[in-house]
This record gives sequence, structure tokens and C-alpha cells, in this order.
Amino acid sequence: EAGVVQSPRYKIIEKKQPVAFWCNPISGHNTLYWYRQNLGQGPELLIRYENEEAVDDSQLPKDRFSAERLKGVDSTLKIQPAELGDSAVYLCASSLPGANVLTFGAGSRLTVL
Amino acid sequence: GQQLNQSPQSMFIQEGEDVSMNCTSSSIFNTWLWYKQDPGEGPVLLIALYKAGELTSNGRLTAQFGITRKDSFLNISASIPSDVGIYFCAGPAGGTSYGKLTFGQGTILTVHP
Repeated sequence: EAGVVQSPRYKIIEKKQPVAFWCNPISGHNTLYWYRQNLGQGPELLIRYENEEAVDDSQLPKDRFSAERLKGVDSTLKIQPAELGDSAVYLCASSLPGANVLTFGAGSRLTVL
Repeated sequence: GQQLNQSPQSMFIQEGEDVSMNCTSSSIFNTWLWYKQDPGEGPVLLIALYKAGELTSNGRLTAQFGITRKDSFLNISASIPSDVGIYFCAGPAGGTSYGKLTFGQGTILTVHP
């Protein structure tokens, strides 16, 4: 069974450009998470979905970040416009409903120049 | 917000040595999770702990849920080169049982052959 799939793995953009990351969770995992991991730190939650509903987006910088999970499966995280401080690894994870064991994807490494 | 403090920040050991690391919090956690992250990959779950005092093993890895519920420990016996990576503790924030995981800053392990 495929794990959590993310793309692209790497992205280099100039500041003020837009960027989007895609995630396909494990089949049957209704809960999907986007985390951001800065260099030398642990992951920090950006947004959590239960099916297509965003149930926790309190740490998502809504002025430039947006996310969607229209059909309750795949999800997209967008940054527009990107800033230098957005350089990080963006991790997607999924879990069964009510579970706290998350399965992570390999991440999308963003470099903003 | 809640913080998890991991110690030590980094370790340099010889192959075959045993390793101990810990994670502490100022708040009570109902679940403790230990993840390992290899370079360029997402975190992978090693051990999950659900009960104060619980001691759980996974091969050469053993983790314990502290009795105070404010700490957890991870031990690796007879280390091998593939143990190299970053080890994170994590737990659900706010005294909940699931949902938003808070991560420690990680312990970087280097194993010299």
C-alpha cells in the first residue's frame, strides 16, 4: 500500500512568487494534516482536516497561506506570495479518525530566494 | 503554547554503544510518541505510549511513559550506523487524546562505525 504521497519534493522560487504543494493521504485516512518544519526544529501544525472540513487552522498564516481538500481526499497547500521566511519543509500527514498516530509523507522542501 | 524539551540536543557515539534520550514537558500528556526522521524524509513512528508507567519495546528500542505523565524516555541498545537520524518526541496538545501533535526540537544521533 502506498504511503502518504507528496509533490513536488523540492521547489525553488523567488520571493513574491506563488507555490503549491499537493498531498495524497493513505486510503481510508479521513484526517489530513499539513505541518511546517523549519531547519533544526520539529514539525509545527499548520492545518488539520477531518474529511473536507478544516477543523484546526489556527496556526495557518491566512494572509498568504491557503489550503483545500475539496473531496475529502487529496489536499493542496498554497502560498501566495512567498516570503524568504517561508523556506522550510512542508510535511503532509494522515491518520484514521480519532487516532493520534500520524503517517507522514516525505515532505516538500521549499527554498525562497 | 505547550513545549516539549528534548535532551540531549545531539549525540555522537560509537557503534555498539547504548543510547538514552528524554523528553520533558511542563504539562501532562496522555500519549507519548517517538518518531525518527532520516535526512530528506518525513518522520516515521517508532513507538507509541498510552499509559503512565508503560514500557514498550520495538526491537532494540525501548521507550517509557513517565509516571508523572510529564516525561518520556527512549533507549536504543547496541547502536548501529542506520540508527543515525533525528529522534522526535511528540504528544497531543492541550490534554487531548488526539489531533494536534506537539513535537520536541529533536535529538540528533550520529553513530561512528
